[in-house]
Amino acid sequence: EAGVAQSPRYKIIEKRQSVAFWCNPISGHATLYWYQQILGQGPKLLIQFQNNGVVDDSQLPKDRFSAERLKGVDSTLKIQPAKLEDSAVYLCASSPVGPAFHTEAFFGQGTRLTVV
Amino acid sequence: GESVGLHLPTLSVQEGDNSIINCAYSNSASDYFIWYKQESGKGPQFIIDIRSNMDKRQGQRVTVLLNKTVKHLSLQIAATQPGDSAVYFCAENRGSGGSYIPTFGRGTSLIVHP
Repeated sequence: EAGVAQSPRYKIIEKRQSVAFWCNPISGHATLYWYQQILGQGPKLLIQFQNNGVVDDSQLPKDRFSAERLKGVDSTLKIQPAKLEDSAVYLCASSPVGPAFHTEAFFGQGTRLTVV
Repeated sequence: GESVGLHLPTLSVQEGDNSIINCAYSNSASDYFIWYKQESGKGPQFIIDIRSNMDKRQGQRVTVLLNKTVKHLSLQIAATQPGDSAVYFCAENRGSGGSYIPTFGRGTSLIVHP
């Protein structure tokens, strides 16, 4: 079974520029997550979708970050404008069941963003 | 605030030794925990999980122990191999409005010396 696909793998941008990340979850997975992982820290959840609806986005900096999951499959995460502190690895994950159930998450390799 | 955390940031062991990685949690309502392994340049990978109605669960070379009294988890790796070198995270599923939010701790870096 194919895993979670993310692109690009690496991105370097200047502060105040915009950037977008793309995620294709495992086929049939209802729940999709975006995490931010700063170097030396654990992943921090930014947003959680069930199909194309938002379940939780309480930790998403909505003044600059946005995410969507049109048609309940692929998802994009956008940062506009980027700040230096946004430098991190952005991880996408998916799980086969809805967020009301306990299950593991399957992670992609992540996109490493460097803001200079 | 309530959080999932780890006691030791780095653990160094010799190949063949047993490794024990610890994790403390503070949300007494948490009832599901997962251990993930993250190798350099990769996303976290599921190792083993445990529900709060269990004290112990075993997998291949790994055992997770849960002590609800002191809100403590541990991951035991038997006969540690160089391929086990990675960062290990414990995560808890926190309930939020009818959904569960996977919440990670900081992680422990395991270094296995040949």
